[in-house]
Amino acid sequence: AQTVTQSQPEMSVQEAETVTLSCTYDTSESDYYLFWYKQPPSRQMILVIRQEAYKQQNATENRFSVNFQKAAKSFSLKISDSQLGDAAMYFCAYRAGTYKYIFGTGTRLKVLA
Amino acid sequence: GAVVSQHPSRVICKSGTSVKIECRSLDFQATTMFWYRQFPKQSLMLMATSNEGSKATYEQGVEKDKFLINHASLTLSTLTVTSAHPEDSSFYICSARVTSGGGTPPETQYFGPGTRLLVL
Repeated sequence: AQTVTQSQPEMSVQEAETVTLSCTYDTSESDYYLFWYKQPPSRQMILVIRQEAYKQQNATENRFSVNFQKAAKSFSLKISDSQLGDAAMYFCAYRAGTYKYIFGTGTRLKVLA
Repeated sequence: GAVVSQHPSRVICKSGTSVKIECRSLDFQATTMFWYRQFPKQSLMLMATSNEGSKATYEQGVEKDKFLINHASLTLSTLTVTSAHPEDSSFYICSARVTSGGGTPPETQYFGPGTRLLVL
């Protein structure tokens, strides 16, 4: 069975600094997708970034980038130039052929002014 | 990006009553929608997959007779919590998988803003 693990329940970062959130997953599939979602206090889930497993190039979206290590089954999120608005719960998610998402337990990110 | 709405945003009901939650994809068609439940400070747990024109697929441990799902059109899925009890109080979130339109790739799910249910 597929599993997604986020080993950091909480992280803190100073404003304007860089932080990396960790995510590992377990699967026997070769074709799948990985996502990072942000859930602010409003609880609206917001897509941050996505990665197709068949692509070797790491995805980037402005200040957000991933380090995708397929062999190690690792998918970390790097947030550069952290802003106060980045404070939220961050969930790593895995999706394979059934279209169902499997979510990690989340990492709460605090941004310190 | 694609927009998903949910209604109501919060509802308070008495124990034993039924509550219906609507999930709509506003600018795209969604043959598949998903219903999640989220307890405070926890992750999202998938309850069921809603398929347009067919029966929903429930995850293990989810009572299909208690959580009725209807996906009658390409833009609307409903979750009805029947005979609600205090233990059903939770935050319910729907998502929609983009099938066509919306200008986004189909592998991505877009989430509604959630519905907070409180059963007294």
